[in-house]
Amino acid sequence: NAGVTQTPKFQVLKTGQSMTLQCAQDMNHNSMYWYRQDPGMGLRLIYYSASEGTTDKGEVPNGYNVSRLNKREFSLRLESAAPSQTSVYFCATSGPPNQPQHFGDGTRLSIL
Amino acid sequence: EDQVTQSPEALRLQEGESSSLNCSYTVSGLRGLFWYRQDPGKGPEFLFTLYSAGEEKEKERLKATLTKKESFLHITAPKPEDSATYLCAVQAAQGGSYIPTFGRGTSLIVHP
Repeated sequence: NAGVTQTPKFQVLKTGQSMTLQCAQDMNHNSMYWYRQDPGMGLRLIYYSASEGTTDKGEVPNGYNVSRLNKREFSLRLESAAPSQTSVYFCATSGPPNQPQHFGDGTRLSIL
Repeated sequence: EDQVTQSPEALRLQEGESSSLNCSYTVSGLRGLFWYRQDPGKGPEFLFTLYSAGEEKEKERLKATLTKKESFLHITAPKPEDSATYLCAVQAAQGGSYIPTFGRGTSLIVHP
């Protein structure tokens, strides 16, 4: 009963490198989200997918792309990593409207 | 624009010293207010959902209440294991997207 699984848990990149963060859920939820969390800034929404086949920009989408591969999987891609993208990235899912989100344990990403 | 403000930013308590955390919000058409607990190195974990003013929810030493402008998370006789960051999120019907807005959290430390 894994819930929301994020891989990898830790990653160090050099400026300009690319990387894909993976998220998979076994909760049969339609909606999936990518957040970044920085000290003093709280959780900021990068992209979300209300259902399979749809994606929309959140508050801070610049420098990122996403793919909703199927109902279970939602990936986040950094095409050319920048130091400003050093952060902890969380994937979340939710079911019907008005229901809470369920989060993975995050990917800690450092860009040098 | 929807706004969620949590106070205080940080709170230090002695074991057994009861207190309250505040979440003030301004949204159009509140659909739900969520409280989460986040431990270091982990993703947020759902605690409570409140839907309408006057509603209260309890779990062990925690009690969440809701008015039309704010929510309180009351912690009665806290223990060191209650130390965590507590996040509040508000969900409103915005064009049908139901994307929650998060506050920046309150970091709680309970000393033995």
